[in-house]
Formats: sequence, structure tokens, C-alpha cells
Amino acid sequence: QVQLVESGGGVVQPGTSLRLSCAASGFDFSNYGLHWVRQAPGKGLDWVAVIWHDGSDKYYADSVKGRFTISRDNSKSTLFLQMNSLRAEDTAMYYCARDVDGYNGWDYWGQGTLVTVSS
Amino acid sequence: QSVLTQPPSVSGAPGQRVTISCTGSNSNIGSGYDVHWYQHLPGTAPKLLIYGNNKRPSGVPDRFSGSKSGTSASLAITGLQAEDEADYYCQSFDSSLLGWLFGAGTKLTVL
Repeated sequence: QVQLVESGGGVVQPGTSLRLSCAASGFDFSNYGLHWVRQAPGKGLDWVAVIWHDGSDKYYADSVKGRFTISRDNSKSTLFLQMNSLRAEDTAMYYCARDVDGYNGWDYWGQGTLVTVSS
Repeated sequence: QSVLTQPPSVSGAPGQRVTISCTGSNSNIGSGYDVHWYQHLPGTAPKLLIYGNNKRPSGVPDRFSGSKSGTSASLAITGLQAEDEADYYCQSFDSSLLGWLFGAGTKLTVL
């Protein structure tokens, strides 16, 4: 069955970095675009970044542009999010999600990994 | 500003019908981009409920239905059940942001 499992979250100080991972299984990883989505405490879902199936294109929300980098290793079926210059407002649960085909929603999501940015 | 507007909360008794609206603009829903709906219980993985405005993934009961008109979309839930109590989010692509938007979410309470 399709599984997405995030890891790498934790408590970090403002200005530092963190790298999240999303390990995928149960499907042909290299055929799908993937997204990172976050949910701040008490808030709604917020799209963060997307990467094309082959890594050829990447797009970011304005709030993270220049600080976060999405990448993937298709040989290891793993998605990454490198987060630099972290701010308190980046505190959130971070989810990875599989894009069906760019037009039909995101059909599988992970359970999330919690990032807390605090001094 | 590119946003998708949803009511913060809706409620209904078991067996009743509720609707959740999602109002966008000409840079997202009004440009023809499809609307998708997700059901989310905090701490769990969000679940795709409706895709392509009105299609249900396999396994989603036909009590859930979606529609879209102009710059707005709606999710309808009939025959409310206690297990439907969750947060519901609409989603669409925005051509001004060159990214995906979520509505702020609607909390459904089953009375």
C-alpha cells in the first residue's frame, strides 16, 4: 500500500536549519510530483513547495522562497525539504503529499512531522 | 489578494444535510482551475474527499458531493454521521501566486 512517512522534525532556534525527509513506498516514486504542506498550531493547511516527478521544476510559496529548498532522490524514493533561516512563524506540522497528476488533487499524505522554532 | 474563503464552522444533526462554501477569485477558481476538497482530523493525514470539482475517489461515500460555479465551489454532505466531524478544506491553483491555495478550513460539528 502507498505510504508516506515524514521525519526530521524537532525543536530548533531561530536562524538555524533543519532538513525534513519523506520516505515513500508502495508506488513508483519517480512518476509523481510531490508537495510539502504545513499547518501552524491552530491554523489551516498552507502549501509550501512542489517538485516535479523528475525534479526538473520546483515552485515555492512566497513565505519560504529563498529559505527553503525542495529536492528528491528517486533512487531512494525520498523527498526532502531543506529549511534554512528558520523563523518562529515556520513552527508547524509539516506534511508531504503525492500529486495525482497535476490536475486531480493530492491523493496520499503522510502523518506529518512537527517543527518548532523557538529560542 | 489571492484567497479561498470558507465559513469557519458549520453544524448539523445526524442525518441532516450541510454545505460548505468556498469562494475564490478570477485568478483561481474563476480561471477554470479545479477545486479539490480534503477532510482532516488534526494529527492525522488529510484525506482527499472530492477532486476535479465533483469526483469522488474510490472509497469515499456518495454522501459527499462537490460542485463549482463561477468563482465559487461547494461541498455537500448528506446523511450526517458522527464520524464526519472534522475540518474540511477546499483547494485550487492560483495563477497569480503560481502555487496552490487552501481555504482556511471549516470545522464541521455533528450535534
